[in-house]
Amino acid sequence: NAGVTQTPKFQVLKTGQSMTLQCAQDMNHNSMYWYRQDPGMGLRLIYYSASEGTTDKGEVPNGYNVSRLNKREFSLRLESAAPSQTSVYFCASSLSRDTLSGANVLTFGAGSRLTVL
Amino acid sequence: DAKTTQPPSMDCAEGRAANLPCNHSTISGNEYVYWYRQIHSQGPQYIIHGLKNNETNEMASLIITEDRKSSTLILPHATLRDTAVYYCIVGRGAGGYNKLIFGAGTRLAVHP
Repeated sequence: NAGVTQTPKFQVLKTGQSMTLQCAQDMNHNSMYWYRQDPGMGLRLIYYSASEGTTDKGEVPNGYNVSRLNKREFSLRLESAAPSQTSVYFCASSLSRDTLSGANVLTFGAGSRLTVL
Repeated sequence: DAKTTQPPSMDCAEGRAANLPCNHSTISGNEYVYWYRQIHSQGPQYIIHGLKNNETNEMASLIITEDRKSSTLILPHATLRDTAVYYCIVGRGAGGYNKLIFGAGTRLAVHP
């Protein structure tokens, strides 16, 4: 039972290069999220997908695009990387259909550390 | 979504109870209180959540005040492994707006 899997774990880019961070979950969750975490700070929401076929902006969406490829996969794309996007990126998913309590509990991946030179 | 206020850091002796406070004075009636923790640079780990009543699980207890404006996470017997950043978040449940906003959290240091 892998949970939430992110690839790659580490990546170094040059300014202006593009790349895609991949995220997959095997828990049949409906909602998926991308957060970034800068050194010494909390997590900030970039984009989220409440359900398959929908995506919405979070707190810091500029410079990113997302694709909810199917129910399992949610990718984050940097079209033209900038040094300000150097960060650790976390993907998360949630059932969003918790019939017991109605709560929305997130399961996180291990993170992808991105450095933009 | 309501915002939360937490102390930036706390200390606790190993074996003692760690009581982590959180203020969420603007919480609305359908918003839950969630607690997560992050050890080193790992992905955040869910601990517990509650709506109105106090809750307990194998990891911790959550005490929510009657007016729901604040809460306390209790780790009953802290160990060195509990050293982490603890995040208190409020947000709507599964049927509503699903965005959860993390603040800076409380850095808990458990010492021998």
